[in-house]
Amino acid sequence: QQQVKQSPQSLIVQKGGISIINCAYENTAFDYFPWYQQFPGKGPALLIAIRPDVSEKKEGRFTISFNKSAKQFSLHIMDSQPGDSATYFCAASKPSGYALNFGKGTSLLVTP
Amino acid sequence: EAGVTQFPSHSVIEKGQTVTLRCDPISGHDNLYWYRRVMGKEIKFLLHFVKESKQDESGMPNNRFLAERTGGTYSTLKVQPAELEDSGVYFCASSQGPGAAQYFGPGTRLTVT
Repeated sequence: QQQVKQSPQSLIVQKGGISIINCAYENTAFDYFPWYQQFPGKGPALLIAIRPDVSEKKEGRFTISFNKSAKQFSLHIMDSQPGDSATYFCAASKPSGYALNFGKGTSLLVTP
Repeated sequence: EAGVTQFPSHSVIEKGQTVTLRCDPISGHDNLYWYRRVMGKEIKFLLHFVKESKQDESGMPNNRFLAERTGGTYSTLKVQPAELEDSGVYFCASSQGPGAAQYFGPGTRLTVT
């Protein structure tokens, strides 16, 4: 069964807008939550990651918000740019193992 | 520093044939992972090596899949015999140590006809 659920499947945002992608998980043993960005023909590249001891992490225009009680986390892309157009994957893993459990991905298109 | 490399980038084979995918991790990375993305589905974990040892192979779909990492450097993933449902993109990733970030290769797109 899918352990991480991601929405929306696709997203269109105007340049300068905020892109928001949401993920939810069930397994409370997960303690590492990365986001990956993938461009066509490339492999997923680590964008930003968070652990449950903090509720928010910001790196440049990218912010992860984490809600432990709701078992949800989200990626916010501020001032979205056409170069941000890509597929974004959320993932989660347990401390005892290294396997990443991925969401299905969100295809983001930022229009000029 | 060279990233994770995978070969071939594309492979088209007929059902029943054998295919071997290769992954070269980032130099010095002891941890190597294989993942697969079937069209329309999420990227799924297949297995994890620490050096030459299989640490976790819980994601391997069946015994038609064989992964090796001789010498703890590059790894191969063999599918024999291939079935239609094996089509997808196979990703390899590597990491330096426990809990470290995983770096992905560009993937091998496998099409079984």
